[in-house]
Amino acid sequence: EVQLVESGGGLVKPGGSLRLSCAASGFTFSTYGMSWVRQAPGKGLEWVSTISSNDGKTYHADSVKGRFTISRDNSKNTLYLQMKSLRAEDTAVYYCAKDSPWTLSGLCFSWGPGTLVTVSS
Amino acid sequence: EIVMTQSPATLSVSPGESATLSCRASQSISSYLAWYQQKPGQAPRLLIYGESTRATGIPARFSGSGSGTEFTLTISSVQSEDFAVYYCQQYKHWPPITFGQGTRLEIK
Repeated sequence: EVQLVESGGGLVKPGGSLRLSCAASGFTFSTYGMSWVRQAPGKGLEWVSTISSNDGKTYHADSVKGRFTISRDNSKNTLYLQMKSLRAEDTAVYYCAKDSPWTLSGLCFSWGPGTLVTVSS
Repeated sequence: EIVMTQSPATLSVSPGESATLSCRASQSISSYLAWYQQKPGQAPRLLIYGESTRATGIPARFSGSGSGTEFTLTISSVQSEDFAVYYCQQYKHWPPITFGQGTRLEIK
């Protein structure tokens, strides 16, 4: 069974940094593209970042480009999102999601339960 | 960036009735359209992709149709567990991956 479990969320001051992790199990992590999607309180879904399975290609939304970095450690079956220069508008539940094997599709086939990031002074 | 627009914002139906949710893309996305269901306090769940392919474990009462810029999610005989928010998503031209603003399906 596919399991994705996010961690690392919490309260951070504007301008601060945070690193989110997503522990994956139940599938061959190294062969799947992965994404982060966020949802501000009471709002809709917003794509944040995607990383390919093997060639390290990454993609980021304009709203986080230059501030957020997606990465992965296939030896630890873990996805990361390094977030810097955080703003109030980054406050959201952050979900990690599993894409297709080998070739990125842009789909989110499985989701973790999410971790809440609150940016406030 | 492709803008996805969903209608209506809220749809009220009685259990056992059918529900039709719409999604429009700002430009053609062929059949690269997915639908997700999100219940309160839960993560979204993939329902339909490739416009009409049901994801693993999704009941047959969920069906998708359309291509180009106009898409529809139909739930035949809505069950109590189907009341939720539904999002469409395009994955033809990305980045960025874009979602619609959601349609809330509520009990009438």
